[in-house]
Amino acid sequence: TQLLEQSPQFLSIQEGENLTVYCNSSSVFSSLQWYRQEPGEGPVLLVTVVTGGEVKKLKRLTFQFGDARKDSSLHITAAQPGDTGLYLCAGAKMNRDDKIIFGKGTRLHILP
Amino acid sequence: EAGVAQSPRYKIIEKRQSVAFWCNPISGHATLYWYQQILGQGPKLLIQFQNNGVVDDSQLPKDRFSAERLKGVDSTLKIQPAKLEDSAVYLCASSLDTYGFTEAFFGQGTRLTVV
Repeated sequence: TQLLEQSPQFLSIQEGENLTVYCNSSSVFSSLQWYRQEPGEGPVLLVTVVTGGEVKKLKRLTFQFGDARKDSSLHITAAQPGDTGLYLCAGAKMNRDDKIIFGKGTRLHILP
Repeated sequence: EAGVAQSPRYKIIEKRQSVAFWCNPISGHATLYWYQQILGQGPKLLIQFQNNGVVDDSQLPKDRFSAERLKGVDSTLKIQPAKLEDSAVYLCASSLDTYGFTEAFFGQGTRLTVV
């Protein structure tokens, strides 16, 4: 069972367009992270959200944590070729062991 | 602050051979993870250590994979014998042991090709 479902799996859009990718689960997470991974590199943390309904902005990226802490979205405004990469969401479960569970990712390609 | 260090960066071996990967986490991070990432997919947790104890190894193929974290710092992941389907990037990550608020910091990974 995939605990974190990311959609879409692939997205290819023109430079300057806006986009939203989603991370959904039936489980509640104590915190959720978004990572970006470029080819040949490990994932790099973009943001962590911990409070239901929380919104965080990182330049042109807006992250939102669902009220019930089961889902999250990432919105990119005016996408640029440098935004190309694999976007991964990961959740830490609400238990003592704090396991980090990853979704399969959304592969984003921004066309110049 | 130094990041998570992994070696080697690349490894090519023949099937049925053995291979070992090394990871040095960020200083002070109690939790260490090994993930397997097959091309085009998200990382899959193989094993999680807290200090030198195993927290979760439910997805580790124990007939061929083993991992240890001596003294609660560095860790090694071994595959013996390797199969073609083991070709993947092996990522090591570490995090502070903070209940309910966990961020993983990753190394660059070791890309394994089994031929």
